[in-house]
Amino acid sequence: LAKTTQPISMDSYEGQEVNITCSHNNIATNDYITWYQQFPSQGPRFIIQGYKTKVTNEVASLFIPADRKSSTLSLPRVSLSDTAVYYCLVGDSLTGANNLFFGTGTRLTVIP
Amino acid sequence: NAGVTQTPKFQVLKTGQSMTLQCAQDMNHNSMYWYRQDPGMGLRLIYYSASEGTTDKGEVPNGYNVSRLNKREFSLRLESAAPSQTSVYFCASSEALQGGYEQYFGPGTRLTVT
Repeated sequence: LAKTTQPISMDSYEGQEVNITCSHNNIATNDYITWYQQFPSQGPRFIIQGYKTKVTNEVASLFIPADRKSSTLSLPRVSLSDTAVYYCLVGDSLTGANNLFFGTGTRLTVIP
Repeated sequence: NAGVTQTPKFQVLKTGQSMTLQCAQDMNHNSMYWYRQDPGMGLRLIYYSASEGTTDKGEVPNGYNVSRLNKREFSLRLESAAPSQTSVYFCASSEALQGGYEQYFGPGTRLTVT
């Protein structure tokens, strides 16, 4: 069971780069790492997904070291609208979702 | 495209009452999921359906039943509601293209059981 551990909360000033790290020591060979963002009273929103090394899209980057036991979500130049809870999810959808585990997430507060 | 829709948005039940939460997706995804989220907590998987005609238990299935009515619709039923089932319920769908979980979530149903 690939459970994850994240910091409970983080604060950052507007315009700074924010890095949120997720620990997943029991990650399986076929597991992918997926990050979600959730605003209050809304469902989570997919941000980025990766298997190894680095993945970048228009909103974030995901860094995964060679041992894959952790991953880091990087948000460049955050704004107030990035205040949300960020979840790291580890799993392999091709082998079944019965061990899908979201964890409690990291509450990011962006300060003006 | 509406994405994932859920009905109702809010519901108050008395202990022992039953109800069905409805979920539909228009993205032609094979997989659908039901989660619950308690205040200040992460999401916990109740049931999922990897494809039409199949359903499987997640982390917290007790007290719930599901039906994958067709490829679009996945319903969650509470047969005899209990106060411990007070929560926000999210439905999600995904397409397992490469093994990860790129899920699309609905807006949620806020359920209170008194």
